[in-house]
Amino acid sequence: QQQVKQSPQSLIVQKGGIPIINCAYENTAFDYFPWYQQFPGKGPALLIAIRPDVSEKKEGRFTISFNKSAKQFSLHIMDSQPGDSATYFCAAREGKLTFGTGTRLTIIP
Amino acid sequence: DVKVTQSSRYLVKRTGEKVFLECVQDMDHENMFWYRQDPGLGLRLIYFSYDVKMKEKGDIPEGYSVSREKKERFSLILESASTNQTSMYLCASSSRTEAFFGQGTRLTVV
Repeated sequence: QQQVKQSPQSLIVQKGGIPIINCAYENTAFDYFPWYQQFPGKGPALLIAIRPDVSEKKEGRFTISFNKSAKQFSLHIMDSQPGDSATYFCAAREGKLTFGTGTRLTIIP
Repeated sequence: DVKVTQSSRYLVKRTGEKVFLECVQDMDHENMFWYRQDPGLGLRLIYFSYDVKMKEKGDIPEGYSVSREKKERFSLILESASTNQTSMYLCASSSRTEAFFGQGTRLTVV
C-alpha cells in the first residue's frame, strides 16, 4: 500500500519549460512534506520542504504548491535547465519519512 | 560538511552468505534509517532506530536485521542473502526537519 502516490514516473521537458511533479497522500497525520533530489551515483538530498499550514513555498526556481483539502502537493521547476535532470522524490512525515516512488526528470536542451 | 558514510559502494555476494552493510554519521543524530531503492518502487524503509540499541521495523523488514551499538553507527544485516535482495541500499540519519543520505551501496546477490 503506497501511502504517498507520486506521478509521473518519468518526465521529459524542454529547457526553459516548467516540469510539474505531483504527489497525493491519505494520512492526515503527516506534518511535513519535503522534496528530495537525487543525481546518479548520489544519495537523495533535501531540495525544498513545506508544512501543511502553508499553501506555497518558493526557493529560487523551485516551488511547492500544497492543497490540504485535496491532500495533494506538487513541485514546480521554473526555467528548467539540463542540470535539473535528476530523480525527484516527494515525502511525507509522521515521525519517520515515507517516500513516493520517484520521478525521473530529463531536461533536454 | 555533514556526512553519512556507507562502507562500500559496490558489493557482490553469493546466495546464502551473511552480509553486513555499515553506516556511520558524524552529525550526532539520534535517528538513523535503512532504505532500499528499486526502480519504480522508490525508497522503501527497511528498519530505523531512534536511539542506541533501539530498532523498529519499517515497511519491508523481512530477511533483514539491524544493529545499533553506538549512536553514530547503524548496521544492516542480511542473515542469508537471496537474489531478490539485489538492490541499492541507502542509509540516512535525520534531524527533526531533514534527512541526510549516504551515497548508497549497490548490492548484487548471485
